Amino acid sequence: KQEVTQIPAALSVPEGENLVLNCSFTDSAIYNLQWFRQDPGKGLTSLLLIQSSQREQTSGRLNASLDKSSGRSTLYIAASQPGDSATYLCAVTTSGTYKYIFGTGTRLKVLA
Amino acid sequence: SAVISQKPSRDICQRGTSLTIQCQVDSQVTMMFWYRQQPGQSLTLIATANQGSEATYESGFVIDKFPISRPNLTFSTLTVSNMSPEDSSIYLCSVEAPTGGSYNEQFFGPGTRLTVL
Repeated sequence: KQEVTQIPAALSVPEGENLVLNCSFTDSAIYNLQWFRQDPGKGLTSLLLIQSSQREQTSGRLNASLDKSSGRSTLYIAASQPGDSATYLCAVTTSGTYKYIFGTGTRLKVLA
Repeated sequence: SAVISQKPSRDICQRGTSLTIQCQVDSQVTMMFWYRQQPGQSLTLIATANQGSEATYESGFVIDKFPISRPNLTFSTLTVSNMSPEDSSIYLCSVEAPTGGSYNEQFFGPGTRLTVL
């Protein structure tokens, strides 16, 4: 059974810092991995999707990497801003299914 | 991509009543998904709804408690029946849709925040 874990659960950093969020999964037979952002009381916004054949994806200040063999993904945020404050969720689909299994989330606070 | 709207955005309900949540997508999609996010928790898949067939429920969720309709390729409803305070959650609708590349992404609605007194 696929399990997805995110570390740390919460993170507080000063504005301008570069930071890394971690996501690990127990079953390496994934189809894709997607990073989302969730603002308090809101729905999810897709940030980056990495297919199983890819190693990384970049969008602006965000870079997501994937290491299937070790069951890990990282989301790198460069030059963090207060507007980046949110909960970040990773989710995976396992090959042969369409179901997304979500991680526990990292609550990020960027201090001005 | 896909743009998804949900109604209502939030509601406060009495124990024992039922609430129907609507999900509308701006394009035709095969699969629609309903998730629950309990306070302080991550998302849990409730069921998958395909047009023209019965919804497929995940372990721990049953049709009597969460009946789902999928009358066409752009719309679905989720009903939370005989509610109790434990049903207080955010309920989210999502779809898989093409991004313009060779793969699909999952897109989410804004969610319905339900409080049961």
